[in-house]
Amino acid sequence: AQSVTQLDSQVPVFEEAPVELRCNYSSSVSVYLFWYVQYPNQGLQLLLKYLSGSTLVESINGFEAEFNKSQTSFHLRKPSVHISDTAEYFCAVSGVGRAQKLVFGQGTRLTINP
Amino acid sequence: EAGVTQFPSHSVIEKGQTVTLRCDPISGHDNLYWYRRVMGKEIKFLLHFVKESKQDESGMPNNRFLAERTGGTYSTLKVQPAELEDSGVYFCASSQEGGSGNTIYFGEGSWLTVV
Repeated sequence: AQSVTQLDSQVPVFEEAPVELRCNYSSSVSVYLFWYVQYPNQGLQLLLKYLSGSTLVESINGFEAEFNKSQTSFHLRKPSVHISDTAEYFCAVSGVGRAQKLVFGQGTRLTINP
Repeated sequence: EAGVTQFPSHSVIEKGQTVTLRCDPISGHDNLYWYRRVMGKEIKFLLHFVKESKQDESGMPNNRFLAERTGGTYSTLKVQPAELEDSGVYFCASSQEGGSGNTIYFGEGSWLTVV
């Protein structure tokens, strides 16, 4: 079984400041890792995912996450946030192989202040 | 290409009534999932269809919940009778046949309030 912990339920930051949203996971088997984002009044959208290869993965809007196997972490970072990044962010894990369910963390609400 | 669509977007029903949520996955996606987020909690898996077959229904909370996917296209999730604790957002998602690395696409959710 897998589990995901997002240590911060809310993160307020100022516009153009850097941000890190923390995610740790637990699993006895190999995993794939995901970050999903939910903007206000919208559904969940995939932000980025780690399947294999380079441990640093990037999204098209400037976010990046690094898979750290030894620390079982997959923290999400952005060097400079914008108002439009205001959303709730979810870290998720799945097993490897045939299509499997996602196990989500509790979510982190990112609030950007001008 | 249309995304995952869910209906209704919002529903308010009384305790004891029945509600049926519908999900239309992305065309051609064999995998269809239902998830739920109760207020303040994490998003939890309910069940997974591969075409019309239930692959995994380990997350279904109790026998008041019934999911179907006749013909392997759209799916319905019925709650009967609804209880107060069933309030939350019900997400449907779909993905192509293949490994778990395939992107899972989510709908906008059906917000259910039981009063």
